[in-house]
Amino acid sequence: KQEVTQIPAALSVPEGENLVLNCSFTDSAIYNLQWFRQDPGKGLTSLLLIQSSQREQTSGRLNASLDKSSGRSTLYIAASQPGDSATYLCAVGMEYGNKLVFGAGTILRVKS
Amino acid sequence: EPEVTQTPSHQVTQMGQEVILRCVPISNHLYFYWYRQILGQKVEFLVSFYNNEISEKSEIFDDQFSVERPDGSNFTLKIRSTKLEDSAMYFCASSELASGGAGYNEQFFGPGTRLTVL
Repeated sequence: KQEVTQIPAALSVPEGENLVLNCSFTDSAIYNLQWFRQDPGKGLTSLLLIQSSQREQTSGRLNASLDKSSGRSTLYIAASQPGDSATYLCAVGMEYGNKLVFGAGTILRVKS
Repeated sequence: EPEVTQTPSHQVTQMGQEVILRCVPISNHLYFYWYRQILGQKVEFLVSFYNNEISEKSEIFDDQFSVERPDGSNFTLKIRSTKLEDSAMYFCASSELASGGAGYNEQFFGPGTRLTVL
């Protein structure tokens, strides 16, 4: 059974700092991996999608990497801003039906 | 930009009552999903739906749950006899099948329906 773990559970940083969020998964037979942002009481906003054959994806200040064989992904946020404060969720897409298996998330607070 | 919409945003019901949660997926998407998130817990997969039938369901998705695509735009989740433990945020998602059947693309989520069972 696929298990997804995110470290750290919470992170508080000053504005402008670069930061890395970590995601690990137990079964490397994934199809893809998505990073989401969730604001309190809100839905999930897709940030980046990495296919299993890819090593990284970039969108603006965000860069996500994937090491499928070791079961790890990282989300790098450059020059963090208070507006980046949210919960960041990692989810792996499985081979069949592409259901997503989610981690518990990292709660990020960027202080101004 | 196209988005997934869900109604209602908040539903309060009495234990044992039936509820229907509604979703309008993105119009050219072919795969539809329901997930739920109990307060303070992980987002959990419930069911996926393709070509007018369930393609996969989790152990959570028991006989009290059903899904339907009653017309060309709506996708519904019905809970027949709600229990206290059904209280959660329910998310609908949709994705577009990649061209050539190469696989599945990014899932886009709606804003959720908060279900409160009293």
